[in-house]
Amino acid sequence: DVVLTQTPPTLLATIGQSVSISCRSSQSLLHSNGNTYLNWLLQRTGQSPQPLIYLVSKLESGVPNRFSGSGSGTDFTLKISGVEAEDLGVYYCMQFTHYPFTFGSGTKLEIK
Amino acid sequence: EVQLVESGGGLVQPGRSLKLSCVASGFTFSNYGMNWIRQAPGKGLEWVAYISSGSSYIYYAETVKGRFTISRDNAKNTLYLQMTSLRSEDTALYYCASHRVDYWGQGVMVTVSS
Repeated sequence: DVVLTQTPPTLLATIGQSVSISCRSSQSLLHSNGNTYLNWLLQRTGQSPQPLIYLVSKLESGVPNRFSGSGSGTDFTLKISGVEAEDLGVYYCMQFTHYPFTFGSGTKLEIK
Repeated sequence: EVQLVESGGGLVQPGRSLKLSCVASGFTFSNYGMNWIRQAPGKGLEWVAYISSGSSYIYYAETVKGRFTISRDNAKNTLYLQMTSLRSEDTALYYCASHRVDYWGQGVMVTVSS
């Protein structure tokens, strides 16, 4: 199975600070069709996860452009350029290039 | 508005069965592959099963293979998860979600305990 290693497990940020979350895969997430199926999700406390980024760097509809995704192969990054209070929660990366689909262990973003 | 509404959860004894349903609206359900994803209390997300739009392709996590069955009825816009031989470690909030996980339900709780 593909293991997604997310770091850091916890992130403490001030409002306006820019932060990054890393997601490293145990194998390449490049599919034979040329796509890389790596998504980022945010789960706020008590809520269902919500999609932020798909195909590594494409912003989901309605997601603020302070969120951005980058990377390729096995190394991926989610960046928040100017954290806002509503961004607190747990961030997950997820891959569905290979079965079984797998999630990272999550990064909890806390606001100072 | 896209909606996925799960139902069928509850408290069940180990070894017993339960069937979850997920009713979709606001999008063309028959065009979408669908997932079941679960989250144990205080834990992260775990993918459980996937079914393609026409039910031709079905995949399971090893932890549930042979015990859970995913299915769908496109005429009823409904996704199912038949769970048998339930174990305490199956206790979780179960979400249905679209293939690309751009649509999620609110989740339904399954508690396996004697």
